Amino acid sequence: QKEVEQDPGPLSVPEGAIVSLNCTYSNSAFQYFMWYRQYSRKGPELLMYTYSSGNKEDGRFTAQVDKSSKYISLFIRDSQPSDSATYLCAMSASSASKIIFGSGTRLSIRP
Amino acid sequence: NAGVTQTPKFQVLKTGQSMTLQCAQDMNHNSMYWYRQDPGMGLRLIYYSASEGTTDKGEVPNGYNVSRLNKREFSLRLESAAPSQTSVYFCASRAGGGADTQYFGPGTRLTVL
Repeated sequence: QKEVEQDPGPLSVPEGAIVSLNCTYSNSAFQYFMWYRQYSRKGPELLMYTYSSGNKEDGRFTAQVDKSSKYISLFIRDSQPSDSATYLCAMSASSASKIIFGSGTRLSIRP
Repeated sequence: NAGVTQTPKFQVLKTGQSMTLQCAQDMNHNSMYWYRQDPGMGLRLIYYSASEGTTDKGEVPNGYNVSRLNKREFSLRLESAAPSQTSVYFCASRAGGGADTQYFGPGTRLTVL
């Protein structure tokens, strides 16, 4: 079993829809949770960063962490075609330990 | 401020050839990482260096070696390339000390024939 599981998609939604992306994990020691966005033929770029449980909002993006269920989510409101990319979740136990990535979900926003 | 830079951007090798992928960061980060990304596999850690002078194996280290030349530079060497090493290679750096975000380079696309 992988430490981090992520549905690879692809996920296709119409412009303006709310998108929900999710990851589950098995290591209860994880405390740092990240979402990266990766456009085709580019390196991943950090989108959201959360420490421990709770919600974090940044513009149209909201990250949620539920440590009791070992489940994290990324919500995108008012989705735009420019949001079309692969989204990778990532997590680590401490600032000194390795970061473990999910396999990524490919998202497509239809105009 | 260039962030994380990688060279070359593209490379084609024949089986058995060797090459070194270069990575440099100008953010004064302590930790540096090498990943490979294959379709459906996500990012898999090859090697990492938590600080200057130290290196450790990641998830898929076989067939690779690394050198942390100084705080800025972290190179990845393929001694005898194999077709299974065809992939996109990403270098990343991280400040550490509570700042837990990684910054990635643009990647190197390697094809081994």
